Amino acid sequence: ILNVEQSPQSLHVQEGDSTNFTCSFPSSNFYALHWYRWETAKSPEALFVMTLNGDEKKKGRISATLNTKEGYSYLYIKGSQPEDSATYLCAFKTGANNLFFGTGTRLTVIP
Amino acid sequence: ETGVTQSPTHLIKTRGQQVTLRCSSQSGHNTVSWYQQALGQGPQFIFQYYREEENGRGNFPPRFSGLQFPNYSSELNVNALELDDSALYLCASSRTGQLRTYEQYFGPGTRLTVT
Repeated sequence: ILNVEQSPQSLHVQEGDSTNFTCSFPSSNFYALHWYRWETAKSPEALFVMTLNGDEKKKGRISATLNTKEGYSYLYIKGSQPEDSATYLCAFKTGANNLFFGTGTRLTVIP
Repeated sequence: ETGVTQSPTHLIKTRGQQVTLRCSSQSGHNTVSWYQQALGQGPQFIFQYYREEENGRGNFPPRFSGLQFPNYSSELNVNALELDDSALYLCASSRTGQLRTYEQYFGPGTRLTVT
């Protein structure tokens, strides 16, 4: 079992603040890094799939970067809104078909 | 919503019983993966099915088995249920291709409670 760590475990921010969290993963046998947003009582929603070292992806106010050599990815949210409140999961994929998930960062945006 | 459906939503079973969970994949997807999420943990990969064959398996015992049907829907079967099998079971559908990694689209999950 591969170790994927996410920090912080939980986070409270004020509406309008920008924030970021970290996903750490093994730097060997890298194939892809996935980010998901999971709102309570809904299905996890795919945000990004990142495969290349130095990748930067953006979707609206959310962006992510990837460093495969040192084994980390950052997720950034600019100008947080209450609807951004969710658990953000990262998952590391080796060449096999297994996705190894972290335990998530639970974000609460306070209006 | 993703178009991936799971049934049932909730289920209560007794230790030693058997359970079947079902998943309908999103249109155009040929691959289904199953995950178990215990309380406080991230989802753990159980196995994946591609074109009706098992295509990868996580660290789960043989009493966890599955099927994929010609329409790409899938079942997860668990025999001889144990208390630790109580969890949220998620399925995810995706496309499989050799040139890129595709996103997985998750269903809402089945909450299994074993008493």
